[in-house]
Amino acid sequence: GQNIDQPTEMTATEGAIVQINCTYQTSGFNGLFWYQQHAGEAPTFLSYNVLDGLEEKGRFSSFLSRSKGYSYLLLKELQMKDSASYLCAVRDRVNTGTASKLTFGTGTRLQVTL
Amino acid sequence: DTGVSQNPRHKITKRGQNVTFRCDPISEHNRLYWYRQTLGQGPEFLTYFQNEAQLEKSRLLSDRFSAERPKGSFSTLEIQRTEQGDSAMYLCASSLAKGDGNTIYFGEGSWLTVV
Repeated sequence: GQNIDQPTEMTATEGAIVQINCTYQTSGFNGLFWYQQHAGEAPTFLSYNVLDGLEEKGRFSSFLSRSKGYSYLLLKELQMKDSASYLCAVRDRVNTGTASKLTFGTGTRLQVTL
Repeated sequence: DTGVSQNPRHKITKRGQNVTFRCDPISEHNRLYWYRQTLGQGPEFLTYFQNEAQLEKSRLLSDRFSAERPKGSFSTLEIQRTEQGDSAMYLCASSLAKGDGNTIYFGEGSWLTVV
C-alpha cells in the first residue's frame, strides 16, 4: 500500500521561495510526481523524479531521496498565479515490472500574498 | 490534439438514478485512468485500462460502479443507483505505456452532484 504525507496549507509572499515537502511509504516505487491544481480545475503535470537528486524546470524544481522516502517541490520567484494546490503522487510498480497507477497525497494549498 | 476530453462536465442527478460519464483520451495513449476527487482531497484511484483490458480496480469501486473501454479508445464510467456520497469530481487521465508514459495527463473532470 501507499501512504503519502504533505502539509495541508502554506502561505508565502510574492517573489519569495517556498518549499513543499512530501514523505511517502510505498511497497514498490516507480517514480514521484508533482501536479498543480487550481480550484475547480484538473491537475496539471509539473515534474517527475525517479532517481535521487534535483530536477529543475524553470521556476520549479523537485527533489527526491528514495532512501528517505522524501521529496520536495521548490517554487522560486513566486507569483500570484502560483496560488493553487500542489499534489504529490507516487507511482507503484506491479510485480510484472510494469508501471502502475498514481497514488496522490491530499495536496498542499499554497496561498501567495502581496 | 485537444487533450483528454470528458463529458458531461457537470451532472446533477437525483439519488437512485444512474449516471454515465465519458472520457476520450489523448489519441495514441493506450493507458486510461479514472480517479475521483472530493473537496480538499487528492484524487483517489478508481481503475485503469491498458488498451481495452481493465488492469486494476480499486476497492473503492463498489458494485454500483462499472467502467468499460470496449475498443481501447474512449471509456465510460457508469454509476448505478447513485448515493449522495457519490458526489465528487470524476477525473479521467491518459498516458502512454512506454516512452512518455512518465506523464499522465488529466481531463478537466466531470462534476457529479447527487441530490
